[in-house]
Amino acid sequence: TQLLEQSPQFLSIQEGENLTVYCNSSSVFSSLQWYRQEPGEGPVLLVTVVTGGEVKKLKRLTFQFGDARKDSSLHITAAQPGDTGLYLCAGGFSGGYNKLIFGAGTRLAVHP
Amino acid sequence: KAGVTQTPRYLIKTRGQQVTLSCSPISGHRSVSWYQQTPGQGLQFLFEYFSETQRNKGNFPGRFSGRQFSNSRSEMNVSTLELGDSALYLCASSQQGINIQYFGAGTRLSVL
Repeated sequence: TQLLEQSPQFLSIQEGENLTVYCNSSSVFSSLQWYRQEPGEGPVLLVTVVTGGEVKKLKRLTFQFGDARKDSSLHITAAQPGDTGLYLCAGGFSGGYNKLIFGAGTRLAVHP
Repeated sequence: KAGVTQTPRYLIKTRGQQVTLSCSPISGHRSVSWYQQTPGQGLQFLFEYFSETQRNKGNFPGRFSGRQFSNSRSEMNVSTLELGDSALYLCASSQQGINIQYFGAGTRLSVL
């Protein structure tokens, strides 16, 4: 069974703080995608990482793919209330299998 | 380019009924995947269709079925609805050979 463990499950912080979300698995993924989801809406793609050790930056968000392509992290610098939402990591496989394995999600609340 | 469109957005059904959900992928995307999202289980893969053929299937009972049409539009059907089928059903589309999935807003199904 392929599992993607995401932590922490909940995070409540003050505006301006930094935070890191982790995704870990025993499986090797060909890609790792991060999504953000608002209540009642579908997940919106933030970034895709495909190379072991890859680091991508999206404004105040930094995404890293582990060297062995089994884990990933999302770091947010100086969080803002607009960052509030559900963050999901999802592992993908190659070989024509368009299937994603999702972590349980991290519900982030940033208070002003 | 228009995103993934799911209809209807909301559905209320009673136990034992059946339901059909529709998904129109991003233009040019030939792969359509379906996911079920519940508070307890998170996002779980249902199945994927490519060129009108089911290519991958998750661990769901046979009451859950789908199909894809020649224009890549897809439908998902759930027969003999159970209370536990209440969930947000998400459709995602991707290009051939690239497992980067873009999600629709989802259909919220409530089974009473």
